Amino acid sequence: LAKTTQPISMDSYEGQEVNITCSHNNIATNDYITWYQQFPSQGPRFIIQGYKTKVTNEVASLFIPADRKSSTLSLPRVSLSDTAVYYCLVALLNDYKLSFGAGTTVTVRA
Amino acid sequence: SAVISQKPSRDICQRGTSLTIQCQVDSQVTMMFWYRQQPGQSLTLIATANQGSEATYESGFVIDKFPISRPNLTFSTLTVSNMSPEDSSIYLCSVEVWDGSSYEQYFGPGTRLTVT
Repeated sequence: LAKTTQPISMDSYEGQEVNITCSHNNIATNDYITWYQQFPSQGPRFIIQGYKTKVTNEVASLFIPADRKSSTLSLPRVSLSDTAVYYCLVALLNDYKLSFGAGTTVTVRA
Repeated sequence: SAVISQKPSRDICQRGTSLTIQCQVDSQVTMMFWYRQQPGQSLTLIATANQGSEATYESGFVIDKFPISRPNLTFSTLTVSNMSPEDSSIYLCSVEVWDGSSYEQYFGPGTRLTVT
């Protein structure tokens, strides 16, 4: 499994856009990039998954440059309820053995 | 999607005892997984439980300590045996679902275990 590196923590304010960059220099050709969100006292929740370029859903956008050695999760106009730990994972599409790194703790302040 | 429930949600146990955690899914799934999340840490996969076969354990986890049952496609149990304070963690079950364009893992709310 490709190792990922992401910032330990980020602070933001309500209404701002939060961008979390994840480095995965040794990503394999068939690996996908997936982001999970975990609120306190809850299990992780799938946010978004992508292979290249840009993916957008109702929750977030995922930007992946051409070399795929990094990716950026973008959370538009965050609210207090977006305070959570965000995990970046890199693995084959059907690889169920998820390897969670330390994640990024995002704190949104009023 | 999948909705997962776990019982108990939390428990405080004495060392040397065992606790069985139940995981119920609202749909039939082939693969179920058990994770551990120690205080302030990330998640670690304990084992994979397929219905009708023995669970597959990850390095550092053994069946005698964490026996798993998978009697049908919607249910699994994880037992934490002969507990010590080091077993104090959140234990989560998850399932993998194909939604037509991607595999997603859905996690239960977790069972917070404290061993005294």
